[in-house]
Amino acid sequence: EAQVTQNPRYLITVTGKKLTVTCSQNMNHEYMSWYRQDPGLGLRQIYYSMNVEVTDKGDVPEGYKVSRKEKRNFPLILESPSPNQTSLYFCASSFGDRREQYFGPGTRLTVT
Amino acid sequence: TQLLEQSPQFLSIQEGENLTVYCNSSSVFSSLQWYRQEPGEGPVLLVTVVTGGEVKKLKRLTFQFGDARKDSSLHITAAQPGDTGLYLCAGDNYGQNFVFGPGTRLSALP
Repeated sequence: EAQVTQNPRYLITVTGKKLTVTCSQNMNHEYMSWYRQDPGLGLRQIYYSMNVEVTDKGDVPEGYKVSRKEKRNFPLILESPSPNQTSLYFCASSFGDRREQYFGPGTRLTVT
Repeated sequence: TQLLEQSPQFLSIQEGENLTVYCNSSSVFSSLQWYRQEPGEGPVLLVTVVTGGEVKKLKRLTFQFGDARKDSSLHITAAQPGDTGLYLCAGDNYGQNFVFGPGTRLSALP
């Protein structure tokens, strides 16, 4: 089954404790992306990757890091999480000219 | 900074009514996508419009891309409770980043 998976689905952590949210897709898509969704703000793109070893900043990259060492995986790293990073995070992948995105199920992160 | 605005923000209608949701920007996009999102799930793609002036129909949903490729609309005919959800438009910035609107939350009551 074609899908984008994210882990964990739910995470409660404390300020400053490094964490990684994993994202994996099995569709051989070149483009992958991370978004955060906050009430009233829609989805805001954090980082995107157009292919292996190619990453670029989205609209809200501060406080986040990513890496794309393999085509299928695109982890999101929070080196020192802060409460303003409490949010719902989505990973997505897409391919081709139309770049129609397939989204993962989301990771709800709470930083206390 | 590119921005997409959506209106209305909230919409509550009765089953059988028609409605239109708007997505507007001052920026030109290479294409525009519409998604629907249900609580606790990721957005699911409904349609992609690419050509200025393009109209696409998906059963009771009609999507239009503005001639200048800066705006789009989604029209639902005879809404049903199953149409309830958050509708999001997203602009593709010529193969680079994506920009999403804040969404329109539709509640279609039986």
